[in-house]
Amino acid sequence: GAGVSQSPSNKVTEKGKDVELRCDPISGHTALYWYRQSLGQGLEFLIYFQGNSAPDKSGLPSDRFSAERTGGSVSTLTIQRTQQEDSAVYLCASSPQGAGSYEQYFGPGTRLTVT
Amino acid sequence: DQQVKQNSPSLSVQEGRISILNCDYTNSMFDYFLWYKKYPAEGPTFLISISSIKDKNEDGRFTVFLNKSAKHLSLHIVPSQPGDSAVYVCAADSNTGNQFYFGTGTSLTVIP
Repeated sequence: GAGVSQSPSNKVTEKGKDVELRCDPISGHTALYWYRQSLGQGLEFLIYFQGNSAPDKSGLPSDRFSAERTGGSVSTLTIQRTQQEDSAVYLCASSPQGAGSYEQYFGPGTRLTVT
Repeated sequence: DQQVKQNSPSLSVQEGRISILNCDYTNSMFDYFLWYKKYPAEGPTFLISISSIKDKNEDGRFTVFLNKSAKHLSLHIVPSQPGDSAVYVCAADSNTGNQFYFGTGTSLTVIP
C-alpha cells in the first residue's frame, strides 16, 4: 500500500516568509509525528499527534512553529516568519497505534531552505 | 544537547564479516531503544528494537545488545551483505512513549 507522503519535496523560501509543509500518513494510522533533521544533527522531535490532538508540543522550537491535523489524517506544519536556522529536512512519520508504538513509518521529507 | 550519540560517522566492513554499530545515550530514563536504516533521500525505516528489560534482541541477521549500566547499545549484523550499506540511526524513547531522540547516524559500507 501507499506509504507516508510529504509535500513539497523541496521548498526554497525567503527569510520572513511563511511556509506550510504537508504530511499524508498511511491510511488508518492514528499517531503522527513531525521531526526535523538539521545538517550534522540527529533527528529532532517537534510534535506528536494522536488522532487530531497534540498531547505533546514540547518539541516545537518557537511560537513561529505550529501544526494541525484534520480528520485524523493529513497534517500541516506551518512555520511563520521563517529564519535561516529553520533550514532543514522536515520528516513526518506515522504509526498504527498510539503512544508506546515504536514502529514508525517515515515519509521522504521536505527539504526547506531559507535564503 | 545530544542525548543519543553515535560517535562513528562511518564504518566499512567486508562482505560476510560482522558489522558492529555503536550507540551511547546519556538519559537513564530511556527505556526503549530502536535502530533505523536510512537510505539517501528517504525517511528512516524501522529495523529492530529492544526494551530496557532485555539485554539482547535478535531478528535474523540483526542483533541488538543493550548495556544499561554503560548506557550503551550496539547493533550487530552478521553476515554483512552489500545491501546492508546504508546509514544506521539509533533512537531512544523517553518514558512518555511519544518523544524519540535520535543519534546522528553511522554510514555503513559493506564491500563486496
